[in-house]
Amino acid sequence: KQEVTQIPAALSVPEGENLVLNCSFTDSAIYNLQWFRQDPGKGLTSLLLIQSSQREQTSGRLNASLDKSSGRSTLYIAASQPGDSATYLCAVPPPPKGGSEKLVFGKGTKLTVNP
Amino acid sequence: EPEVTQTPSHQVTQMGQEVILRCVPISNHLYFYWYRQILGQKVEFLVSFYNNEISEKSEIFDDQFSVERPDGSNFTLKIRSTKLEDSAMYFCASSVAGAITEAFFGQGTRLTVV
Repeated sequence: KQEVTQIPAALSVPEGENLVLNCSFTDSAIYNLQWFRQDPGKGLTSLLLIQSSQREQTSGRLNASLDKSSGRSTLYIAASQPGDSATYLCAVPPPPKGGSEKLVFGKGTKLTVNP
Repeated sequence: EPEVTQTPSHQVTQMGQEVILRCVPISNHLYFYWYRQILGQKVEFLVSFYNNEISEKSEIFDDQFSVERPDGSNFTLKIRSTKLEDSAMYFCASSVAGAITEAFFGQGTRLTVV
């Protein structure tokens, strides 16, 4: 059974700092890994999808890396801004051979960027 | 940019009442999902729907729950007799080709059962 863990649960940084959010998963046989942003009381906004064949994926100030063999992904945020304050979730689908379609989510890292 | 839309954004209902949560997935997507998030907990899978039928459901998705795609655009989640523990944020999602492709989520419906 796939389990997803995100550390730390919360992170507070001053504006302008570069930071890394961590995601680990127990079963490395994944199609891909997706990072989401969730603002308080709001929906999930997809940030990046990184395929199992990729090692990195970039979108603006965001860079996601994937190391399947170690079951880890990181989300790097460069030059953080107060508007980046949100909860960041990672999610993986189950191994391909199982035929499941569901995403398994971590609990998220709540990021606060202080002006 | 295409997006998944959900209505209503908030719903308060009395215990035992039926509720229908509505979603309009992205138009060219073929896979549809419902997830829920109880306050302070992880987002958890409820059901997936493909080719006009349920393809997978979780243990949470018992006989009180049902899904329907009544026309070419809407996707609904019905809870027949709500319980206090059904209070949560419910998210609809869609994707082009299932787990191998990016999933897009709606803004959610906050359901409060009193």
